[in-house]
Amino acid sequence: EDQVTQSPEALRLQEGESSSLNCSYTVSGLRGLFWYRQDPGKGPEFLFTLYSAGEEKEKERLKATLTKKESFLHITAPKPEDSATYLCAVQAKENFGNEKLTFGTGTRLTIIP
Amino acid sequence: NAGVTQTPKFRILKIGQSMTLQCAQDMNHNYMYWYRQDPGMGLKLIYYSVGAGITDKGEVPNGYNVSRSTTEDFPLRLELAAPSQTSVYFCASSWTRPRRDTEAFFGQGTRLTVV
Repeated sequence: EDQVTQSPEALRLQEGESSSLNCSYTVSGLRGLFWYRQDPGKGPEFLFTLYSAGEEKEKERLKATLTKKESFLHITAPKPEDSATYLCAVQAKENFGNEKLTFGTGTRLTIIP
Repeated sequence: NAGVTQTPKFRILKIGQSMTLQCAQDMNHNYMYWYRQDPGMGLKLIYYSVGAGITDKGEVPNGYNVSRSTTEDFPLRLELAAPSQTSVYFCASSWTRPRRDTEAFFGQGTRLTVV
């Protein structure tokens, strides 16, 4: 069974204090690992897809990396508007679309001005 | 750019009542999904559809039904609401292979309380 574990559950940072969020996964052949951002009362918003170990993607202050067992979401010099819950999900190779997308429970990030 | 639109945003149901959560997408995606999100839990897949006329069960289908008569719409029906169905429901859509960009786009959610 596919599993995704995110840590920490919650993280409070001062504005400008860089850190990383972790997503550990177990999947029977990884097709893709997805990162989403979710604001309170909103639906998840897509950030990145990573397909193979060693791949990296960046968007503004966020950088996602992938190994064979985990992914990191690095946040550099965060701002208060980066406060949100960050979700990680994996999709197994044998599945079409997202019907077997397995989500973690998320990391709630708070950036203090 | 509407994307995925869900209605209603909030609803309170009494035990035993029924309702339909509406979902529409304007991106011509072939795949559509219904998830529920409970506090401290990851998103759980209820039902999904690979195209008009084709639906299948996800992880937690009991107590729900779906239909997909068009590419755009994917309503979720709750029959005989129970307190265990109190949750936030998200509809999503995506492309599928052979396209590589199969990320899902989510609606804003429907917060349902069953009392």
